[in-house]
Parts: sequence; C-alpha cells; structure tokens
Amino acid sequence: GESVGLHLPTLSVQEGDNSIINCAYSNSASDYFIWYKQESGKGPQFIIDIRSNMDKRQGQRVTVLLNKTVKHLSLQIAATQPGDSAVYFCAENPFGGGGGNKLTFGTGTQLKVEL
Amino acid sequence: EAGVAQSPRYKIIEKRQSVAFWCNPISGHATLYWYQQILGQGPKLLIQFQNNGVVDDSQLPKDRFSAERLKGVDSTLKIQPAKLEDSAVYLCASSLHTYANTGELFFGEGSRLTVL
Repeated sequence: GESVGLHLPTLSVQEGDNSIINCAYSNSASDYFIWYKQESGKGPQFIIDIRSNMDKRQGQRVTVLLNKTVKHLSLQIAATQPGDSAVYFCAENPFGGGGGNKLTFGTGTQLKVEL
Repeated sequence: EAGVAQSPRYKIIEKRQSVAFWCNPISGHATLYWYQQILGQGPKLLIQFQNNGVVDDSQLPKDRFSAERLKGVDSTLKIQPAKLEDSAVYLCASSLHTYANTGELFFGEGSRLTVL
C-alpha cells in the first residue's frame, strides 16, 4: 500500500555539522512532498516543499533533494544548530494536483544536536 | 498574525467517558483539518473541512468520533465513548488553499488526551 517511511528513527549530529534526514515513499504517483519540523509539545511547522518536476530546492540553511527514480527524498540542514533539535517528518500528497491537501506523514526522525 | 488556537491543551479522562476539543483556525483560512498523532508516530488525518462542509472523513472512526464546523470558522472534535487507544495528541491545522496543492498547513499546538 501507500506509505511514507524514514530510514532512521534517531540522528545525532555535532553542532555546526551538516545533517541529512532521509525519507522513502512508495507511491510513484505522488507529486508533492513537504518537510515538517516538530518540537516537543508543539505542532508540526512547515520547513520546505518540493514538487515532482524538481529534483532540488533550497531554503534558508535547508535543501530538499528528490530522487524519483528510487522514490527517495532527503532534507539537508547546513551548520546544524541546537535549535534544530526536533522530530522531522516528510509528508506526501498522494493525489497530485487538485486532490486537496490530504497529506500522508511518515513516522519521523528525531534529530539530536550535540554541543 | 495569530496562529491556530486549540483547547484544552491537556485532558485526562477515564475510558468510556466523553471529551471535546476546540479549534480556531487562522483568520481567512477556509480549510480546517483534524489530525491524530499517537506517540512516536506521524500525524494521521481524521477529517478535513472546507468552510462548513466535509471534504474527507474517510479515516474518522464514526462510531465514536464526530466533528463539526457549523459556521465555517471554529471547529469541535468529540470522542464518545473514549477508548484507551484514543490516547494521542489531536492536532488542528488550517490552510488557505484546498485544491491548489500548496500543502502548507499551519498547525496548532495540539490537545493531548490521556485515556485511563
């Protein structure tokens, strides 16, 4: 069935290093993906999105890469800071354009930044 | 700009009791969502409204869960009777667009339910 999964449940990085969080999806028809950050006790917060007609998109200190061939996307965080510590979710819109915002979320990866 | 407001933040009830959660979306956002987030999992969509109409409630356990958005603004989610497996955080989210596929949902801080 359709699923969005993450390779690693926990990722520990040193402050100042780059972080890479990976996500696999199974629905080849999905054409829209989003990364969310969720801090403890808070709701998910939008980070960056990407459509399937792109393979890379950059934001402030973050980059999302999409590889449709292997149905994989990643979130790269440059110069990771303590404030980046959170759970990161990838989300998939399996209905493409016009299907509404029915997002399917993955399980999440806990990013821990060590000082 | 005010964010999505939810209340109560925490609720503890016994199984078979009822509970209601309230959500006020961002002003002007026509689309409102309720998600259930069980500990250690990603959010799962329960119901989606556009204005006061239901767009999708396919994953809402209708035998015990109900939701309404009568005036197209605030929304309430009710659980009656509650089961142990309903222990979760209930997240409300809103978005400006429904069919533009922007996907940018604004989430509230959630209501944490513990069923004993």
